[in-house]
Amino acid sequence: KAGVTQTPRYLIKTRGQQVTLSCSPISGHRSVSWYQQTPGQGLQFLFEYFSETQRNKGNFPGRFSGRQFSNSRSEMNVSTLELGDSALYLCASSFNSANTEAFFGQGTRLTVV
Amino acid sequence: AQKVTQAQTEISVVEKEDVTLDCVYETRDTTYYLFWYKQPPSGELVFLIRRNSFDEQNEISGRYSWNFQKSTSSFNFTITASQVVDSAVYFCALSLNKAAGNKLTFGGGTRVLVKP
Repeated sequence: KAGVTQTPRYLIKTRGQQVTLSCSPISGHRSVSWYQQTPGQGLQFLFEYFSETQRNKGNFPGRFSGRQFSNSRSEMNVSTLELGDSALYLCASSFNSANTEAFFGQGTRLTVV
Repeated sequence: AQKVTQAQTEISVVEKEDVTLDCVYETRDTTYYLFWYKQPPSGELVFLIRRNSFDEQNEISGRYSWNFQKSTSSFNFTITASQVVDSAVYFCALSLNKAAGNKLTFGGGTRVLVKP
């Protein structure tokens, strides 16, 4: 059974640009959550999508957005990148949206210069 | 608001020693779920255990064991006879009732270094 796949693994962008990250969950899983990990703030919840609907949202500015497709694949987008957006972005796949265990991808390392 | 505290930022042990990682949580909800995840250098978080607030039984899985005590709001994790492969960052996390979905609130993590 394939795990959670995140693409790309590494990304370098310039301030002001926008970026789209992709996550393919485990087959059969309908919930995808996104987290930002930085040395200063640790692991912070961005949002969760379940059956193409945003289920929950963390305390991030509107520059951070996401969506989920009918095949459960998810994308997150960050517009007008800032230096502070440099982080490891982790995607988590879960069978449903009821406190089930989450399986994480290896993340996308975003560097904003 | 919920909060998870892992007071130990780094623990260094010699192989075969036992190591206990502390986790203290705060929530006003009576229904909640606690998790432990391991993050090796490769970056992905590896699920270790999930426990709901109504199940205070301790659990053992191989060299891993967990001690859940609601009276002290703690969910501690012990690695017995540690091995070099146990070197990683370990995170404790909390999620609330179904309305909160799968949102996890993480502690700051404890880096475990097991020396040969």
